[in-house]
Formats: sequence, C-alpha cells, structure tokens
Amino acid sequence: SQQGEEDPQALSIQEGENATMNCSYKTSINNLQWYRQNSGRGLVHLILIRSNEREKHSGRLRVTLDTSKKSSSLLITASRAADTASYFCATATTSGTYKYIFGTGTRLKVLA
Amino acid sequence: DVKVTQSSRYLVKRTGEKVFLECVQDMDHENMFWYRQDPGLGLRLIYFSYDVKMKEKGDIPEGYSVSREKKERFSLILESASTNQTSMYLCASSSQVNYGYTFGSGTRLTVV
Repeated sequence: SQQGEEDPQALSIQEGENATMNCSYKTSINNLQWYRQNSGRGLVHLILIRSNEREKHSGRLRVTLDTSKKSSSLLITASRAADTASYFCATATTSGTYKYIFGTGTRLKVLA
Repeated sequence: DVKVTQSSRYLVKRTGEKVFLECVQDMDHENMFWYRQDPGLGLRLIYFSYDVKMKEKGDIPEGYSVSREKKERFSLILESASTNQTSMYLCASSSQVNYGYTFGSGTRLTVV
C-alpha cells in the first residue's frame, strides 16, 4: 500500500535554480522523512520532520509539513549537478509500528 | 562511518534456486528491514525485524522468508527463486521508531 505520493514524477532544471518536490499522504503520521537515491544505489536519509513541526532546514534543503493537508514539500535551493537523483518521502504512522512507507519518488535532473 | 553492508551488489540466479541475501549493520540497531524496489512501484516492504529472532511480515512477504539469529545480521531468503523476484533488494536498519533508516547499497538480483 502506498502512503506517500511524490509530485512531480520527474523534474528537470538548470543548475542554480531551485527545485521543489511535493509529497502527499493518506493517514495520520508521526513523522515524515525525505531520502535521496543516486542511480542504482541505496537511499540516503536527508531530513526528518515531526508531525508537530511546520518547517525544517538543513543546508540547502528546506522541508515543510502541512498536516491539515497531509502534504510535505522539499525545496533544494541553488541546485547543483550533483543533486541529480531520485527523492523519496517516507512516513511513519502513529500506529506504533516501526516501519516506514515510501512513495514512488521524484526523479530530479539538474543540467549543468 | 556507520554502515549497512549487503553481501552482493549484483547476483544472477536460476529459477528454482534457493537464494540468500545477507545484510550486516555495525550500528547496534534494533530494527532491520528488507525492501524491494521496482520501477513505478517504489519501495515495498518485504519483512522487518525489531529484535533478534523476531520478525514481522511486510506488505509483500510471499515467496520470501527471513532470519535474524544475531542482532547485526538480517538475511532474506528466496525459497525457490522465480523470475518475478528479479528486482533491486535494499536492506535498512534503524535504532528507534522515529529515526531515519540507514540503507545498504542494494543487491540487484536477476533470476533467469
């Protein structure tokens, strides 16, 4: 079952531009995380935002969470070619289980 | 540098073979997970374990089993490999419910 759905599925921008990706989910969550995956590799944890937080920053990353709309966005500012990757959101529900449910990802391509 | 190590990056097996995918973490994490990743379907949880000798089914456990005899090692077993199990397999670990996963680099399995 898919909890998170990323939008858009693919995004192509020029180096230096900002990239925004969105994630929508269906049920109440405990926290939401964003991950990056370079081609053919494992996922790397980027940032976690808890359900009682509205915004969080980490370097060039800014994540927002709107629990009333059940959505989150990931903004990458001043993008670089090295940011080219797939980005996934993952949600931990409030049901008390340990597992995270991942969306299908946004493929970001940053053109030099 | 903390690590989740998957024993093989690429694996080719024949239909009907019993296949073992090994995952080892050096972070003393309680929780370990096996996902498979397929184009258009995102990451789907196969099995997870929150303690030694404990296991729970994920969303797609059919055709798989797992073993966790030691805290650091979580093995995924394909009892009788089939071509529809050709996929990228990702192992992950985490220390608490609300903390991010650390992923291995993945094993790309091809069943012929």
